[in-house]
Amino acid sequence: SQQGEEDPQALSIQEGENATMNCSYKTSINNLQWYRQNSGRGLVHLILIRSNEREKHSGRLRVTLDTSKKSSSLLITASRAADTASYFCACGSGNNRLAFGKGNQVVVIP
Amino acid sequence: GAVVSQHPSWVICKSGTSVKIECRSLDFQATTMFWYRQFPKQSLMLMATSNEGSKATYEQGVEKDKFLINHASLTLSTLTVTSAHPEDSSFYICSASFGAAGDQPQHFGDGTRLSIL
Repeated sequence: SQQGEEDPQALSIQEGENATMNCSYKTSINNLQWYRQNSGRGLVHLILIRSNEREKHSGRLRVTLDTSKKSSSLLITASRAADTASYFCACGSGNNRLAFGKGNQVVVIP
Repeated sequence: GAVVSQHPSWVICKSGTSVKIECRSLDFQATTMFWYRQFPKQSLMLMATSNEGSKATYEQGVEKDKFLINHASLTLSTLTVTSAHPEDSSFYICSASFGAAGDQPQHFGDGTRLSIL
């Protein structure tokens, strides 16, 4: 299966702490994307990292990709209460679609 | 930029009713639109991929006569749930992308919560 699998699936942290979540996948990819979903809303694209990239930053987000281990990580630094959401990784493998993982629920306690 | 509008956001209707959900890309032309279904605390399940002017491609197990998709223009796709029953109750989300879908970010609508009584 191409589907990403996030780990841990639920994370509760204090505001100001860093939150790290991992995503593993099974076959080759062109890119890996991370999305955020607030409760009852659609998904918001956070960051896309291509298979020839190893690390990417966007504001307080840092994404790494290790294609040899078929894994990616998303780090949110200095978390805020507004970061409370579900985070999904999604694999793009050139077949005109994305395969989404099961999601990772993050709760940031003020 | 890259705003996708989805309407309605909430629908409650009686069993047997057909429900139409609209998905519009407001500030870009979407070469591909996607329809997903999401159950509580679960991931997105891709239902179908829709390209402007051509028939939608449905995922295995999704009834094309039950979930009618029309992609009439580069900015509008519609999903019609025909003769809806309680088991069709779910959260339906559309997304749109331009360029090679799967190689670009997808831009999502805010979803439609469908409740069939």
